[in-house]
Amino acid sequence: DAKTTQPNSMESNEEEPVHLPCNHSTISGTDYIHWYRQLPSQGPEYVIHGLTSNVNNRMASLAIAEDRKSSTLILHRATLRDAAVYYCILRPNFGNEKLTFGTGTRLTIIP
Amino acid sequence: NAGVTQTPKFQVLKTGQSMTLQCAQDMNHEYMSWYRQDPGMGLRLIHYSVGAGITDQGEVPNGYNVSRSTTEDFPLRLLSAAPSQTSVYFCASSQGFEQFFGPGTRLTVL
Repeated sequence: DAKTTQPNSMESNEEEPVHLPCNHSTISGTDYIHWYRQLPSQGPEYVIHGLTSNVNNRMASLAIAEDRKSSTLILHRATLRDAAVYYCILRPNFGNEKLTFGTGTRLTIIP
Repeated sequence: NAGVTQTPKFQVLKTGQSMTLQCAQDMNHEYMSWYRQDPGMGLRLIHYSVGAGITDQGEVPNGYNVSRSTTEDFPLRLLSAAPSQTSVYFCASSQGFEQFFGPGTRLTVL
């Protein structure tokens, strides 16, 4: 499976935008880019996913580089509740539902 | 919908004991899976199932058994618990692009 690289940790001020980067230089043409987050003492929860085009939903935006070797999860206005570990995951194809988690980025929100 | 439920929330076992972690979902999802999460690490896939009667191994299957007799339930059995199986266990289900995770079972093996 193609691997992803994320910073171990990031900090951001409350109510400011947060950009969480992910490198995936060995991504294949059929890999989808998924983001999950794990709040303290909870199971992971789905955030967003995309293939080639930028995506927006109620939680976040996903910006995908034109060559697809990197992507950025954007939280437009961070709140304390967004403090979590964020995982960037590549799924080989839509029919393969297995997820391979790395260690993710621990996001700290400063009040 | 209750989503994905797991029982128990906490469990302490002695080395060599066996037990079953329960997982149930009420979303009629075909795909279900079990992960373990050790401190400071991401989740690792233990076993998964693509439908009733069909299971397969994930990344770390040794020491665990699963079966899937119904769409709703996917129990994980520890045959002979070892301290290395101390971890937090998460069950998940999905049908499509989004996986739904349960709240987890924190297992300690002494």
